[in-house]
Amino acid sequence: EVQLVQSGAEVKKPGESLTISCKGSGYRFSSYWIGWVRQMPGKGLEWMGITYPTDSDTRYSPSFQGQVTISADTSISTAYLYWSTLKASDTAIYYCATLDVRTGGDYWGQGTLVTVSS
Amino acid sequence: IQMTQSPSSLSASVGDTVTITCRTSQGIRNDLGWYQQKPGKAPKLLIYGASTLQTGVPSRFSGSGSGTYFTLTISSLQPEDFATYYCLQDYNYPVCAFGQGTKVEIK
Repeated sequence: EVQLVQSGAEVKKPGESLTISCKGSGYRFSSYWIGWVRQMPGKGLEWMGITYPTDSDTRYSPSFQGQVTISADTSISTAYLYWSTLKASDTAIYYCATLDVRTGGDYWGQGTLVTVSS
Repeated sequence: IQMTQSPSSLSASVGDTVTITCRTSQGIRNDLGWYQQKPGKAPKLLIYGASTLQTGVPSRFSGSGSGTYFTLTISSLQPEDFATYYCLQDYNYPVCAFGQGTKVEIK
């Protein structure tokens, strides 16, 4: 069974850094793109970016380029989303997902709530 | 590629047929999928390749379209179908983009 299990909820202050994670199992993690999706409170889904674990090829939405860093570690089948300087506007639920609408091999993590507040 | 999903919300009754549309600013072949999201849950893929039903998804859901115009139709709406629906295009895979979402509410 394919599973993406994300790290737990975080409460941080503006200006702090943060890394959240997404561990894949039940499939060949290194062979599939894995992306991140933001959902701000009461809002829609936003595609942030995606990485290919085997060669670290990473693409970002223009809206998120320079704001976050996406990476993956094939040795532990885990993808990461990193902020160096959090803002209150980063408060949201973040999902990792394989995002495959071509072949249907689409799997999602359970989401990680990030709250940024002073 | 700009995406326009409509309507942003709709009210319908159990048993109704509803249609949600997604338009793109340029042709994307059939590189589009439809998701359902319920409150507090991760999105669930319903349709991929514009018209292929994901395994386990009820047949009252159907997708159609290609190029720049796509539709998701829910026939005979059931109580569990009240949710928010999103289209996602991946024409420039792996780069993707979501539509704005459509909330289907009970009338």
